[in-house]
Amino acid sequence: QQQVKQSPQSLIVQKGGISIINCAYENTAFDYFPWYQQFPGKGPALLIAIRPDVSEKKEGRFTISFNKSAKQFSLHIMDSQPGDSATYFCAPGPYGQNFVFGPGTRLSVLP
Amino acid sequence: DSGVTQTPKHLITATGQRVTLRCSPRSGDLSVYWYQQSLDQGLQFLIQYYNGEERAKGNILERFSAQQFPDLHSELNLSSLELGDSALYFCASSVDGETQYFGPGTRLLVL
Repeated sequence: QQQVKQSPQSLIVQKGGISIINCAYENTAFDYFPWYQQFPGKGPALLIAIRPDVSEKKEGRFTISFNKSAKQFSLHIMDSQPGDSATYFCAPGPYGQNFVFGPGTRLSVLP
Repeated sequence: DSGVTQTPKHLITATGQRVTLRCSPRSGDLSVYWYQQSLDQGLQFLIQYYNGEERAKGNILERFSAQQFPDLHSELNLSSLELGDSALYFCASSVDGETQYFGPGTRLLVL
């Protein structure tokens, strides 16, 4: 199975700070790079995703940065809020076949 | 609410038993995916069905099987249950493969 690595494993940020989560993959053929957000007791939900034709995508406080040559993409959460406390998963893969999820990053935003 | 429903919400059973988990996808979604989430293994893809046909297979054990019915609901059958099968089982659905909408999950406890 394709390796997908996330870092850090857990992250604690103060309210208003910037949270940065990284995802590294191996397969250069991947062309869809989503981040999912999961709250305790709930199923994951798509947060934001990017295709490789752009290097950055912003939706509100959430930004994906994509580095094709490094085979990495990152999730940036600006002005982090306690409500952002959740586990974040990346799931890079071929478009429409994003079955392999990273191990997850547990984010805690302190009030 | 993602629009994906899963029943039952909780299931407690004994080793060696067989259980069936049910998933109803969002209206109009033809694809159904099954995932297993445990603390030490993260979110593991099991299998995908598209309009009744098996489309992709992940790390699904031979003791596990699934099917998608003409009305598009899906069932995941787990047999000869072992303690290690205790986990959260998620179903997700998608219309185009780009965004997977996850259900609330079924928490299985094998005693």
